[in-house]
Amino acid sequence: GDSVTQMEGPVTLSEEAFLTINCTYTATGYPSLFWYVQYPGEGLQLLLKATKADDKGSNKGFEATYRKETTSFHLEKGSVQVSDSAVYFCALSSNTNAGKSTFGDGTTLTVKP
Amino acid sequence: GAVVSQHPSRVICKSGTSVKIECRSLDFQATTMFWYRQFPKKSLMLMATSNEGSKATYEQGVEKDKFLINHASLTLSTLTVTSAHPEDSSFYICSARDMDSTDTQYFGPGTRLTVL
Repeated sequence: GDSVTQMEGPVTLSEEAFLTINCTYTATGYPSLFWYVQYPGEGLQLLLKATKADDKGSNKGFEATYRKETTSFHLEKGSVQVSDSAVYFCALSSNTNAGKSTFGDGTTLTVKP
Repeated sequence: GAVVSQHPSRVICKSGTSVKIECRSLDFQATTMFWYRQFPKKSLMLMATSNEGSKATYEQGVEKDKFLINHASLTLSTLTVTSAHPEDSSFYICSARDMDSTDTQYFGPGTRLTVL
């Protein structure tokens, strides 16, 4: 079945540091890939997505590129801010699985001033 | 952008009572909504898929008589936790898929249920 593996956390960075959170997936067919962000006590917000190979999703300075050859969708940001502190979830959605989403375990990011 | 609301945001109830949680898509129509449960510091666990006008599809291990789901319209799905017990305490999150989109889900803000 489908699965998503993302980098274990927690990750602690200083403000303005470079961020990478690794995400790899296993899926049948051609899934869409997503990054969601969850702030404390809240639901998930869609951060960015990519629907086909070599697509790059980007939003709020975050980027991720759909790499079919390495089955990866790593999240990057060049300069993190304290306000980026949250839990980040990598996910995929596949039409071969009735459109359900499969989530990674989440990576907690803490950015210190 | 697409907005999904949940009500209530927090609920505390006594053991044995039933609790209803509403999930609404505010600016789009959703033929499919999903209900998730999230344990502290854990990922989301899909409980069921709710389809407008038909019975919900439950994931393995989820008791359908315990967690009643009704998807009465294209903008509303409800989850009722029947005869709640302390082990049902959790963060419940719904999501909705826009009719025009086959892959993107929009999430509600979640409902914190505490059963005493």
